[in-house]
Amino acid sequence: SAVISQKPSRDICQRGTSLTIQCQVDSQVTMMFWYRQQPGQSLTLIATANQGSEATYESGFVIDKFPISRPNLTFSTLTVSNMSPEDSSIYLCSAGGNKETQYFGPGTRLLVL
Amino acid sequence: AQTVTQSQPEMSVQEAETVTLSCTYDTSENNYYLFWYKQPPSRQMILVIRQEAYKQQNATENRFSVNFQKAAKSFSLKISDSQLGDTAMYFCAFMTKDDKIIFGKGTRLHILP
Repeated sequence: SAVISQKPSRDICQRGTSLTIQCQVDSQVTMMFWYRQQPGQSLTLIATANQGSEATYESGFVIDKFPISRPNLTFSTLTVSNMSPEDSSIYLCSAGGNKETQYFGPGTRLLVL
Repeated sequence: AQTVTQSQPEMSVQEAETVTLSCTYDTSENNYYLFWYKQPPSRQMILVIRQEAYKQQNATENRFSVNFQKAAKSFSLKISDSQLGDTAMYFCAFMTKDDKIIFGKGTRLHILP
């Protein structure tokens, strides 16, 4: 199974600022994903991070708000832009692909004031 | 569109008892994958068990087993000899043909001493 780390583990940010979350996998993986988990809720897929090309966003999520990079097969970043209190959530990355089990990072807990 | 439904928002059982968590799903696909993930208070998403739809045999993993009824689109999780460390949120999940995971709303399970 892949081991996934995320940085930062948590942050408190001011309204209107941006935060970049990093996701590192200990082995090369085909696919990486970003999810949001709002307080007391389930996980919602934000986008698929595609290596070497633009991410594929789910309905309700846009690139201007959640730009994503994936420069190689082990690393991805998610930026939460122009934050508002409604962006306060846990953000999780996962890795997998080819119908393999997806493993999740520990999450980044974000609080926007 | 695929959906995953968990009808039990919260459950409590005594330690050492057996508990069954329900999950139903809807899909038009014939080959797919189903998962149960556990999320303890630490927020780390942990894979509990995985089932391939083309396999008739129910998956088991130590104290955890599933009852997979493909025709009924049902995928319940049984936890035998429950332990205090099983206290967590449990998410039923469906993997789409493009490796995206759709989660149910979760069942919060309390194991009582």
